[in-house]
Amino acid sequence: DAGITQSPRHKVTETGTPVTLRCHQTENHRYMYWYRQDPGHGLRLIHYSYGVKDTDKGEVSDGYSVSRSKTEDFLLTLESATSSQTSVYFCAISERGDSATQYFGPGTRLTVL
Amino acid sequence: AQSVAQPEDQVNVAEGNPLTVKCTYSVSGNPYLFWYVQYPNRGLQFLLKYITGDNLVKGSYGFEAEFNKSQTSFHLKKPSALVSDSALYFCAVRDDTPLVFGKGTRLSVIA
Repeated sequence: DAGITQSPRHKVTETGTPVTLRCHQTENHRYMYWYRQDPGHGLRLIHYSYGVKDTDKGEVSDGYSVSRSKTEDFLLTLESATSSQTSVYFCAISERGDSATQYFGPGTRLTVL
Repeated sequence: AQSVAQPEDQVNVAEGNPLTVKCTYSVSGNPYLFWYVQYPNRGLQFLLKYITGDNLVKGSYGFEAEFNKSQTSFHLKKPSALVSDSALYFCAVRDDTPLVFGKGTRLSVIA
């Protein structure tokens, strides 16, 4: 999976608790992305980063925050998890933001009870 | 705003027959178009992309896609399907904003 790891791979948590998902890359790519995958919706962009400390919102950013303090790590935080955030979360990376191919991590399955 | 549609949730094809997975798009400028495949419990794997130039793009595992500007389509094709091609396929498009994905088409190749 192109030098991308996600942790944890599976997590079960309760409504109202904070959750942080980590994406780590060894490719030194500038861009990093967080998506969620839900049946009937495909993949939807949550947030993305175009450099250290540079982030922007995606289509479904409400209830999520991100941080990128170094090139290789991109963190996704659910400040107070809700059942609607039960999903599979994918991280992706790309060298550039235009026609560059995005490469995906293995995913994190999050269940919020 | 850019958008992409995959009109078929499910495509069934017999092994050895040609397969087509459909994708149409809408963008304001020139599109960059991508196809990805997802096997069970895995991340998405890149198959091919169109940026500019030849309308027929060849990719991994014998797949190809044809860019048709007049019909705003980018259908994925393979001349002879394998059972191992059974998976979830996603089309994606971008122009000046990050990638937008279709909802996916599940391909089932029957032996």
